[in-house]
Amino acid sequence: AQSVTQLDSHVSVSEGTPVLLRCNYSSSYSPSLFWYVQHPNKGLQLLLKYTSAATLVKGINGFEAEFKKSETSFHLTKPSAHMSDAAEYFCVVSDPPRGNDYKLSFGAGTTVTVRA
Amino acid sequence: NAGVTQTPKFQVLKTGQSMTLQCAQDMNHEYMSWYRQDPGMGLRLIHYSVGAGITDQGEVPNGYNVSRSTTEDFPLRLLSAAPSQTSVYFCASRPGLAGTYNEQFFGPGTRLTVL
Repeated sequence: AQSVTQLDSHVSVSEGTPVLLRCNYSSSYSPSLFWYVQHPNKGLQLLLKYTSAATLVKGINGFEAEFKKSETSFHLTKPSAHMSDAAEYFCVVSDPPRGNDYKLSFGAGTTVTVRA
Repeated sequence: NAGVTQTPKFQVLKTGQSMTLQCAQDMNHEYMSWYRQDPGMGLRLIHYSVGAGITDQGEVPNGYNVSRSTTEDFPLRLLSAAPSQTSVYFCASRPGLAGTYNEQFFGPGTRLTVL
């Protein structure tokens, strides 16, 4: 069964400094991996997804993530935080569909605050 | 395309009341699902559907019913609301089960409070 662990429940950074959100996953197969962002009182927006074409994945708003199979990790980074990055971030894993069985497993979320 | 739409945005119920949360998508997606979001727990799957007429239970199905009579609509019914069902509910859709890396598209959510 798949599962995902976000190692930090809260990350606080200063504007202009790097952001690192850590995610470890567990899967018996070659999983799909996603990062979603949720701004306050909003729905979930896809930041990026791992498609097996490249281990370094670039997403929207300057975010990127690196898939490391040996470490079962999919950490999200951004070189320079902006005030608008303040939000909650979810790491999501999914095993390949089998029959009618397809489920996403969400991490508990990491809340990012950005200090001026 | 409007994408995934949900109504209402906010709802307050009394314990024991019933209601239906509406979800619709205009992308002709086969796969639709309902999640609830609670603090510190991420999103948990309630029910899902792989096509019209087919539904199945997710991780936390108790107290909820679903049906899928059309491709576009996937309503979630609370039969007898309980305070433990206070949560934010998200509907999502996906083109189908094929395509391992296809993303799910999420609606804006319904914030439900049960008193």
